[in-house]
Amino acid sequence: ETGVTQTPRHLVMGMTNKKSLKCEQHLGHNAMYWYKQSAKKPLELMFVYSLEERVENNSVPSRFSPECPNSSHLFLHLHTLQPEDSALYLCASSQDVQGGGDEQFFGPGTRLTVL
Amino acid sequence: GENVEQHPSTLSVQEGDSAVIKCTYSDSASNYFPWYKQELGKGPQLIIDIRSNVGEKKDQRIAVTLNKTAKHFSLHITETQPEDSAVYFCAASDYGQNFVFGPGTRLSVLP
Repeated sequence: ETGVTQTPRHLVMGMTNKKSLKCEQHLGHNAMYWYKQSAKKPLELMFVYSLEERVENNSVPSRFSPECPNSSHLFLHLHTLQPEDSALYLCASSQDVQGGGDEQFFGPGTRLTVL
Repeated sequence: GENVEQHPSTLSVQEGDSAVIKCTYSDSASNYFPWYKQELGKGPQLIIDIRSNVGEKKDQRIAVTLNKTAKHFSLHITETQPEDSAVYFCAASDYGQNFVFGPGTRLSVLP
C-alpha cells in the first residue's frame, strides 16, 4: 500500500450504532488530519494530530472521537450520530504541522450515511 | 479567522480553451496557497502551490498567480483537456495547522 488509505470506503449506520473509521498513511509523515466534506460546503477541518498528540479540535461535537495510537494510524470513532453527519470523511497527512506550508496528502475518503 | 471565497462555483469550457478560477482570502498572515484537484471517488490531490514571496508559478499547462496586496490568487489552466474535468479547491494557510479551503469549483471540459 502506498499513500493514504481509508477503510471502509462506504458506511451506512443507524443513529444508535457505534462505528469507527480507519486511516493509515505509508508516507512517514508526522501529522494527520480528519476533514468533513459535505455537499456544497467547503472542506471542514475537524482534528489535527502531530506526533500522536491532538493539536487542533475545531469545535467538533463529542459524538466524534478521534484516536491516534501512532504516527501512521488515525481513527475516528462514531456514536449516536445524526442524519446531518452524513458526508464524505477525508483523512490527510503531511510531513509536519509546525513550520507547515506542507502538502497534505489525502486518502480517498469514507462515504458515511446516517439513517 | 481566515475566510476563503472561490469563484465561479461551476465552469464549463470547450476543450482547448483556457479556464480561470479565482480565490480571495481575508487573513493577511496567510502565506501558503495550494490548489487541489478532486476527481470523482477520490480525495483531493495537490496540483500546484505558491508561497507569499512569489507572484507567479507555472507548471506546464497550469499556473497560479498571487496578489498579496489585494489578497487574491488565481488558477489558470491552458489548453484544457477532458481529463481536467474535476472539482478544484483553493486553500490558504498561515504555515501552521490552519488550512482553510474554498468551497470548490466544478470544472467541465466539453469535447
